[in-house]
Amino acid sequence: DSGVTQTPKHLITATGQRVTLRCSPRSGDLSVYWYQQSLDQGLQFLIQYYNGEERAKGNILERFSAQQFPDLHSELNLSSLELGDSALYFCASSVVGARSEAFFGQGTRLTVV
Amino acid sequence: AQTVTQSQPEMSVQEAETVTLSCTYDTSENNYYLFWYKQPPSRQMILVIRQEAYKQQNATENRFSVNFQKAAKSFSLKISDSQLGDTAMYFCAFMKSSGSARQLTFGSGTQLTVLP
Repeated sequence: DSGVTQTPKHLITATGQRVTLRCSPRSGDLSVYWYQQSLDQGLQFLIQYYNGEERAKGNILERFSAQQFPDLHSELNLSSLELGDSALYFCASSVVGARSEAFFGQGTRLTVV
Repeated sequence: AQTVTQSQPEMSVQEAETVTLSCTYDTSENNYYLFWYKQPPSRQMILVIRQEAYKQQNATENRFSVNFQKAAKSFSLKISDSQLGDTAMYFCAFMKSSGSARQLTFGSGTQLTVLP
């Protein structure tokens, strides 16, 4: 158990819909990262938050947004869903400092039908 | 921007044997971290080993060790005494060590199968 909790584990939704994925980081970790793993794109970084502020942005679509709340949990919002958004979405957390390895949650499997 | 390349999409090894997975990367950074993550069929991403670029000594974790060649930008993973539980997708990853933007850049992965 990495200590990072993601909900839900599985999500099936229709095209055009909006979903919210939730992540609770490890206790004490201020940084939260979102990654997308798909068959054709591999593992791609989407966005990072540090203590409530956006710190880095990767290949995140405009239809996607995220935020980190004062209690440090994070949510990834995906809207106007397309079939191609079907993927495994990972949240990871880390302490920014000397030991910076990221610990991953179990992921949310999103299927858009 | 950083890139990470894993040129072996699939590999197999007999149980108890040794296998080496290759990874090369490209960066203009001088200080950074390199990681190997394992993703078994459960899909969980598990950290296997990490290497700080400023350290010349290769990292080891039990049966797992790396061969880090900074000048060649090479970072291979050696698994000794392979076990059936080592069957997984292995990802090499790069992370800058400066600043607070600490995202990982992953390679495309190597699917390792340990044969009984």
